[in-house]
Amino acid sequence: AQKVTQAQTEISVVEKEDVTLDCVYETRDTTYYLFWYKQPPSGELVFLIRRNSFDEQNEISGRYSWNFQKSTSSFNFTITASQVVDSAVYFCALSGVNDYKLSFGAGTTVTVRA
Amino acid sequence: DAGVIQSPRHEVTEMGQEVTLRCKPISGHNSLFWYRQTMMRGLELLIYFNNNVPIDDSGMPEDRFSAKMPNASFSTLKIQPSEPRDSAVYFCASSLFPTGNTIYFGEGSWLTVV
Repeated sequence: AQKVTQAQTEISVVEKEDVTLDCVYETRDTTYYLFWYKQPPSGELVFLIRRNSFDEQNEISGRYSWNFQKSTSSFNFTITASQVVDSAVYFCALSGVNDYKLSFGAGTTVTVRA
Repeated sequence: DAGVIQSPRHEVTEMGQEVTLRCKPISGHNSLFWYRQTMMRGLELLIYFNNNVPIDDSGMPEDRFSAKMPNASFSTLKIQPSEPRDSAVYFCASSLFPTGNTIYFGEGSWLTVV
């Protein structure tokens, strides 16, 4: 069985602060995909990143960065210099390479105050 | 390119009425998903189609729910009769086989049954 845990329910920061969202996963698969999705107040689910379990390189995209550590089964997400527009619920998700099912974490609500 | 398109975005209906939610997947995608999001249960997979064929409907809560995919560019999720506990956000999503590829979500259909 696959499981994704996002231990932080809510995070509140002031604009320009950095914020890190934790994601820990469990899987018996040797190959798998990890994802992050963003759900802003408008409600849509926006894909942010997909990471293959073979690729442990960290990734940076603008103010977003991701730290994948297979040894600790973690795939953490950092927003640098946060902005009000970053306020959203962020979901971490996991799927096996040959599995159509996405296992979602419970989500972390990020509130960025001006 | 257009993303996954869902309609209606918002629906308020009375208990007992039939509700039909519609989805147009991303052109070229061969996998389609219906998810439901509630506060209590988070994101749940209701049904998965591959090449227009239902592969996994184990998440469909009961016989009141049905889904069809008559062609590669259209799917419906029907609830008949609707009940207040069906109030949720229903997401349609699509991806390109093989599994493990990124699943792209629509903006969701916000259903309220009163």
